[in-house]
Amino acid sequence: EAGVTQSPTHLIKTRGQQATLRCSPISGHTSVYWYQQALGLGLQFLLWYDEGEERNRGNFPPRFSGRQFPNYSSELNVNALELEDSALYLCASSSGQAGNSPLHFGNGTRLTVT
Amino acid sequence: SQQGEEDPQALSIQEGENATMNCSYKTSINNLQWYRQNSGRGLVHLILIRSNEREKHSGRLRVTLDTSKKSSSLLITASRAADTASYFCATGNTGFQKLVFGTGTRLLVSP
Repeated sequence: EAGVTQSPTHLIKTRGQQATLRCSPISGHTSVYWYQQALGLGLQFLLWYDEGEERNRGNFPPRFSGRQFPNYSSELNVNALELEDSALYLCASSSGQAGNSPLHFGNGTRLTVT
Repeated sequence: SQQGEEDPQALSIQEGENATMNCSYKTSINNLQWYRQNSGRGLVHLILIRSNEREKHSGRLRVTLDTSKKSSSLLITASRAADTASYFCATGNTGFQKLVFGTGTRLLVSP
C-alpha cells in the first residue's frame, strides 16, 4: 500500500510569490489534513478536507487556502508569501475522523521563502 | 495555541536505558496519540489510547493516560540508537475536528 505522497520535496520562493503544494492520500482515505511545522516549533493545524469540502481551518490568514479533488488528493496554496511562511508543510490522511483514528503523514514539503 | 506540552523538551540517554516522556493537556479529550518524527521527515503514528483506557502496550512502548490529571506518559524500554527522534503527543478534541500536537520531546540515544 502506497503511503501519503507530497510534492515537491523542496520549494524555494521569494517574498510575495505564490506556492502550491500537493498531496496524495493513502488509497481509500477521504480525509486530508495540512499542518505547518516551523523550525523548532510543533505542528500547527492548517486545514482539514473531507469528501471535497473544507471541514475545519486553523488560525491562519486567508492567503492560506486549498482544495480537495474528486480523487481525494489535495492542494495547499499560499499566496503573497512572507518570510515567516518558511516551514515544513506536512500532509496527512486518515480513514476516519482525526482524534479517533491515526493520521498517516507524508514526508512533507520544505518551503523556503527568501 | 498548543493543547499538549511534552516534558522534557530534550532527553539524552545511553542505549539499553529506558526513556520516559510526559505529555500534559488542557481540555477534555476522547483520545491521545503518540507520534515519532525522524529528522525533517513526516510523523509516524506509534500508539493511540482512548480516554477510557489507562495503559496500553505496543512492543517496547508503554503508554499511560491519567484523565484526572490530564496527562500521559510514553515509556520506551531498552532504547536503541534507532529510537533517536522527536516524539509528539496529540490530542483529539471532543468535536473530532482536528488533532492538536504538542511541541515534542527530542530524544537522543547514544550507542
